[in-house]
Amino acid sequence: NAGVTQTPKFRILKIGQSMTLQCTQDMNHNYMYWYRQDPGMGLKLIYYSVGAGITDKGEVPNGYNVSRSTTEDFPLRLELAAPSQTSVYFCASSYGGAGTEAFFGQGTRLTVV
Amino acid sequence: KNQVEQSPQSLIILEGKNCTLQCNYTVSPFSNLRWYKQDTGRGPVSLTIMTFSENTKSNGRYTATLDADTKQSSLHITASQLSDSASYICVVSPNQAGTALIFGKGTTLSVSS
Repeated sequence: NAGVTQTPKFRILKIGQSMTLQCTQDMNHNYMYWYRQDPGMGLKLIYYSVGAGITDKGEVPNGYNVSRSTTEDFPLRLELAAPSQTSVYFCASSYGGAGTEAFFGQGTRLTVV
Repeated sequence: KNQVEQSPQSLIILEGKNCTLQCNYTVSPFSNLRWYKQDTGRGPVSLTIMTFSENTKSNGRYTATLDADTKQSSLHITASQLSDSASYICVVSPNQAGTALIFGKGTTLSVSS
């Protein structure tokens, strides 16, 4: 019963490098989300998807890109890493929209130096 | 502006004691309110979810209350255990069809023996 799986769990990037945070879910959920959690702050929505082939910006999308080619996978791409992107990133999924329960992955702790 | 405020910011209690965490929100229109538990280094896990018509919901030793008129919610933990040490996050959904959840900053609970 895997639920939402994120990889990697930890990563250190140098300024200007790029990377992809992977997220996969095995619950056949239509909705998937990427959040970031900064110390002492509430989670902020980066991007979300309501189904394969459909993505949209959240509250803090700048510096990130996403794709949703399958129902299961929702990778988050950082093209030019900046120190401001140092954060913990959480992927989540839900069967429906905000009215339904969201299930979160374990997070990816990213440090940009 | 849609906001979720939680208090206290942190709390230390002895094992076996009860405690109550508070959540005030200004989100409107309101769909539902959730409480999540987030262990250190893990993703949030749902404890309860309540719509505006529900004023109490329990999940084991956790009981959430909701007053939609005053826009206040509380999470009561009974007979606390060491494993209750975590961050408790109040999350409000603005509406049924949207996808943007509003997260509080969380209350950090430490249970000591």
